[in-house]
Amino acid sequence: EDQVTQSPEALRLQEGESSSLNCSYTVSGLRGLFWYRQDPGKGPEFLFTLYSAGEEKEKERLKATLTKKESFLHITAPKPEDSATYLCAVQADTDKLIFGTGTRLQVFP
Amino acid sequence: DAGVIQSPRHEVTEMGQEVTLRCKPISGHDYLFWYRQTMMRGLELLIYFNNNVPIDDSGMPEDRFSAKMPNASFSTLKIQPSEPRDSAVYFCASSPGKTQYFGPGTRLLVL
Repeated sequence: EDQVTQSPEALRLQEGESSSLNCSYTVSGLRGLFWYRQDPGKGPEFLFTLYSAGEEKEKERLKATLTKKESFLHITAPKPEDSATYLCAVQADTDKLIFGTGTRLQVFP
Repeated sequence: DAGVIQSPRHEVTEMGQEVTLRCKPISGHDYLFWYRQTMMRGLELLIYFNNNVPIDDSGMPEDRFSAKMPNASFSTLKIQPSEPRDSAVYFCASSPGKTQYFGPGTRLLVL
């Protein structure tokens, strides 16, 4: 069965303290891995798509990487405005996305 | 582009009432998805359409839920009769093929 697991469930960081979020997956035939950011009371906002192992993408303080079994979202020198829930999703053999339960990130000044 | 539009943004109703949620996808997107999000279960796919045709409704919890897409610019998700356990945030997302873009959601409370 296709499965996505995110860790940690929650992460508290001091402003400027870099860290990484993990997304491990088990799917039969990965077509794409997606990262979204969700702020309270809003819909998920698309960040990145990764398609093959070894691929990396960056946007401001965020960098996403992909291996054959997991993806990392690295946050460098985070700011309070980076506080949000980060969701990982995989697309396997169909058009559906399978979402993890997310990592709730809080960055304190 | 205005993005995916959902209405209403908030809905409070009583158990047994009919609830209709509405979605306008991004113009030109061929796919439309309906999700439900709760603290306990996270984001769950309910149903999705391709070119207005329902492709997979295996996530629809029971016969009380139904969804339609009469044209490329409009979809509805209906719950009849509603129950307290249906309380959740319902999201609509549209896609041109791979990346899905989400609307702001409808927060539903069934009393």
